[in-house]
Amino acid sequence: KQEVTQIPAALSVPEGENLVLNCSFTDSAIYNLQWFRQDPGKGLTSLLLIQSSQREQTSGRLNASLDKSSGRSTLYIAASQPGDSATYLCAVDRGSTLGRLYFGRGTQLTVWP
Amino acid sequence: NAGVTQTPKFQVLKTGQSMTLQCAQDMNHEYMSWYRQDPGMGLRLIHYSVGAGITDQGEVPNGYNVSRSTTEDFPLRLLSAAPSQTSVYFCATKGGVHQPQHFGDGTRLSIL
Repeated sequence: KQEVTQIPAALSVPEGENLVLNCSFTDSAIYNLQWFRQDPGKGLTSLLLIQSSQREQTSGRLNASLDKSSGRSTLYIAASQPGDSATYLCAVDRGSTLGRLYFGRGTQLTVWP
Repeated sequence: NAGVTQTPKFQVLKTGQSMTLQCAQDMNHEYMSWYRQDPGMGLRLIHYSVGAGITDQGEVPNGYNVSRSTTEDFPLRLLSAAPSQTSVYFCATKGGVHQPQHFGDGTRLSIL
């Protein structure tokens, strides 16, 4: 069974810092890895999707990398802002069950002014 | 463009009652799924569908029923509500193998 782990579970930093959130998965036979953001009491917002054949994806201040062979992904947030405060979730899918996502438990990020 | 719409947003039920959580999408996506999110457990897949008329079980299907009569709608039915089904329920859709999944805003359900 695919297991997804996110480290750290919580992170509190001052505004302006560059951050790295980590995600690891046990089965490297994935089709995609997706990073989500979840604000308190809200749904999940897709941030980035990396296909299994890709090494990284970028969107604004966010950069996600994927090392499929070692079962690792990192989400890099540049110049963090208080508005980045949220829980960040990592999820992988195997494609054999089309689109079924296996989620980590998330990293709760607080960026203070 | 509404995306994925879930109703209701909040619901309180008594043990033994039944209800249907609605999910509708306007993106013409074939793949739809239901997850529940519980503290300390993360998101877990309940049921999913790869197209109209096709459904299958996920990780935690017991106590839930689904059907998919149209591409747009994928309702989740609680047959006889139990306190263990208190959770936040999310519906998601996906347009293709290498496309991102899109989530609704969730239904917060409490079973007393």
